[in-house]
Amino acid sequence: DVKVTQSSRYLVKRTGEKVFLECVQDMDHENMFWYRQDPGLGLRLIYFSYDVKMKEKGDIPEGYSVSREKKERFSLILESASTNQTSMYLCASRSGSSYNEQFFGPGTRLTVL
Amino acid sequence: SQKIEQNSEALNIQEGKTATLTCNYTNYSPAYLQWYRQDPGRGPVFLLLIRENEKEKRKERLKVTFDTTLKQSLFHITASQPADSATYLCALDLRDDKIIFGKGTRLHILP
Repeated sequence: DVKVTQSSRYLVKRTGEKVFLECVQDMDHENMFWYRQDPGLGLRLIYFSYDVKMKEKGDIPEGYSVSREKKERFSLILESASTNQTSMYLCASRSGSSYNEQFFGPGTRLTVL
Repeated sequence: SQKIEQNSEALNIQEGKTATLTCNYTNYSPAYLQWYRQDPGRGPVFLLLIRENEKEKRKERLKVTFDTTLKQSLFHITASQPADSATYLCALDLRDDKIIFGKGTRLHILP
């Protein structure tokens, strides 16, 4: 059974802290994505990666960075967390061989105080 | 500007009827269009994908249409059941590997 896992379901951090959100997939997928989801705004793409060490900005990359050192792992980094980054963060992966469905993780609900 | 819009935030449908959800987009040229289901507190789950050269796709009680001239997709659930209550998201699969989501429609099937 295919699986995308995220390091935490719930996370509470303070303003200014550095935050790491980890995502791991076991399907040998080339493409991985980070989204945030907010009421009334839907799912918005932060960053995506189509290969190890490759990354592309999505629609809202400001305040975030990413790291993909291994194919199965894609990390989202908040260098200095702010209250407006309180959100649900969703990771997804998909095969890069052709247009395919995305597989999503369960999400991390991040609260920045 | 580029937009992807789903017709309504919420939709109430009587059990047994057909639910129809709409997805419209402007200034995109998607290669594919996808539909996902999302339950509260969970990640979206893929339902159906339709290619730009396909008019219609079916899977059990689900049917998707795709009109690239109107820039619109319709998603139908026939013989709807309370268990179909969820948020449904449409997504444009663009040619640069990006996938862009609509805000979703919350569907309530009333017993």
